[in-house]
This record gives sequence, structure tokens and C-alpha cells, in this order.
Amino acid sequence: EVQLVESGGGVVRPGGSLRLSCAASGFTFHNHGMSWVRQAPGKGLEWVSGLNWNGGSTTYADSVKGRFTISRDNAKNSLYLQMNSLRVEDTAFYHCARDGSYIGLDYWGQGILVTVSS
Amino acid sequence: QSALTQPASVSGSPGQSITISCTGTSSDVGAYNYVSWYQHHPGKAPKLVIYDVTNRPSGVSNRFSGSKSGNTASLTISGLQAEDEADYYCSSYTTSNTGVFGTGTQVTVL
Repeated sequence: EVQLVESGGGVVRPGGSLRLSCAASGFTFHNHGMSWVRQAPGKGLEWVSGLNWNGGSTTYADSVKGRFTISRDNAKNSLYLQMNSLRVEDTAFYHCARDGSYIGLDYWGQGILVTVSS
Repeated sequence: QSALTQPASVSGSPGQSITISCTGTSSDVGAYNYVSWYQHHPGKAPKLVIYDVTNRPSGVSNRFSGSKSGNTASLTISGLQAEDEADYYCSSYTTSNTGVFGTGTQVTVL
């Protein structure tokens, strides 16, 4: 059974940093690209960042470019999102997701809440 | 990277068919056949119901179908059931190698 479990969320002050992790199991992790998607309270889904199977190609939404860094460790079956210079508007549930086909995200984690507040 | 445009809400009676539109640009929806659709029940992880415009993942009901014309993609749910009541989002791969989601549509079964 495919499982994606996020961790590392919490409350942080504006300007602070947080690192999210996503532990993957039940599939061959290094065969798939991965993405992070977020949903602010009461808002819709927003694609945040994605990377290919070996992490050699990474892309970001304009809203996080230069502040967030996506990475992966295939030996640990893990995906990461380093979030720096956090803003109040980054407050959201963050989901990791497996990329089945060009942003066709076929498995999702339950999500982890990140709250940016003073 | 503007969000794709979807109607805020669509409703239908059990057994009816409904169609949700998803309008983008020549840089996303119109560029490739990489449009996906997700069903999202609040508090649960989104579920992929259509990928690559028309393909259904294994286990997804054949009542869900997708299509695309130009810069607009569509999701049709036929034989509407109470369990179909949820939020639906489209997404597209873009010419910048990024992803973009739609604004979301709340489906209500009357």
C-alpha cells in the first residue's frame, strides 16, 4: 500500500524557517517525481514545488521561488521542503504527492499544518 | 502562474450528468494533454479521478470522464450520486515545467 506521511509542521514567526519531511513507502520511490501542494484555510489547492526522480530538476511556484527548496533522499525514501523567509500567507496545510504523470498526482499524504504568525 | 478558472459551484440531482469547466491559456491547458482532475472531500487527501485529459486511474468509476478543447478542459460526472458531493479541482502542466491548479468547484447533489 502506498503511503506518504508528512512531518515537521508547526507554528513559526514571520521571517522564520521550517523544514517539512515526507516519508514514502509501498512503492519504488526513486522511480517517481514528487510534488508539494498546499491549501490555505478556506482556499483552494496551490501547487508549490516539484522535482524529478533524482532531484536533478526542480521547479517552483512564483509565490515561493527563492524562499523554498525542494529535495529528496532516495536512500531514505524521503522528500523534503525547506521553507525560509516564511510569510503569513504561507500558512496552509502542506501535502506531499507522488507524480504519476506530469502533475497527475496519484497519491497524496494527509497533509501537515504550517502556521506563520507573530 | 494564474490559477485556472473553474465555476465556483455546480449542482445536479441524483442520476443527472454535470460538467465542470476549467479554462486556462495556451501556456498551460492548451499547451499539452496534461490536465488532471481531483475530487476533494474536506479533511481528506485529494483523490485523482482523471489524468492526461481523458484517462481514469484504476479503481475510479467510469462515471467520471474528461475532455479538452483548446484552452478549456472539462470533467463530466454522469449518473450523479450522493457520494460525488465534494470539491473538484483541475490542474495542468505548464510550459514553464510547473503545475497550476484551478480555482475549485463545489459540487452539490440536490
